Amino acid sequence: QVQLKESGPGLVQPSQTLSLTCTVSGFSLTSYNVHWVRQPPGKGLEWMGRMRYNGDTSYNSALKSRLSISRDTSKNQVFLKMNSLQTDDTGTYYCTRGGKQPFDYWGQGVMVTVSS
Amino acid sequence: DVLMTQTPVSLPVSLGGQVSISCRSSQSLVHSDGNTYLHWYLQKPGQSPQLLIYRVSNRFSGVPDRFSGSGSGTDFTLKISRVEPEDLGVYYCLQSTHFPYTFGAGTKLELK
Repeated sequence: QVQLKESGPGLVQPSQTLSLTCTVSGFSLTSYNVHWVRQPPGKGLEWMGRMRYNGDTSYNSALKSRLSISRDTSKNQVFLKMNSLQTDDTGTYYCTRGGKQPFDYWGQGVMVTVSS
Repeated sequence: DVLMTQTPVSLPVSLGGQVSISCRSSQSLVHSDGNTYLHWYLQKPGQSPQLLIYRVSNRFSGVPDRFSGSGSGTDFTLKISRVEPEDLGVYYCLQSTHFPYTFGAGTKLELK
């Protein structure tokens, strides 16, 4: 069955770089897009960017200068890297599958706290 | 960026009742391909969001027909009839017609 699972450090220091991994199963990264969405504590959802099935990427312009998404299709993994983290980057980070039925499957999310 | 305005922010409901949630966009969500990429999600407490409705009115697999979506252009509605306890949570609309994709701020469905 389709599954996505985020992994990464729970705590990042201010000004440092966040590195997250989304490991997928049950579908191919060369057939579906994978998106990253984040949610500050108690707040709404923000689309961050996507890795397309063909390897192209798109980013939220608000984050573009700090954000990079890449993948390793042999490992069924999509990676997120975001630099210059600040406290307002604290929140839950989700990866989710995109396609004709957008964001039909989501990972459980990984909570990231930016603090010294 | 396309601003998605959801109303109301909070929606008290009695079990078995019917409710509507509005989502309005700051510009038309009709894509150049003719489709309208407006979708609805429910986030239950402590859970990841789940897809309910895609492209305005199409129910995702397993979503009961108590949920229905309608609308066009910039004005969209999610209706829930015969509300059940498992329907409680925060509902979000999402537009994926324009980059960046943007979500509404959410509507919390809670018991009266």
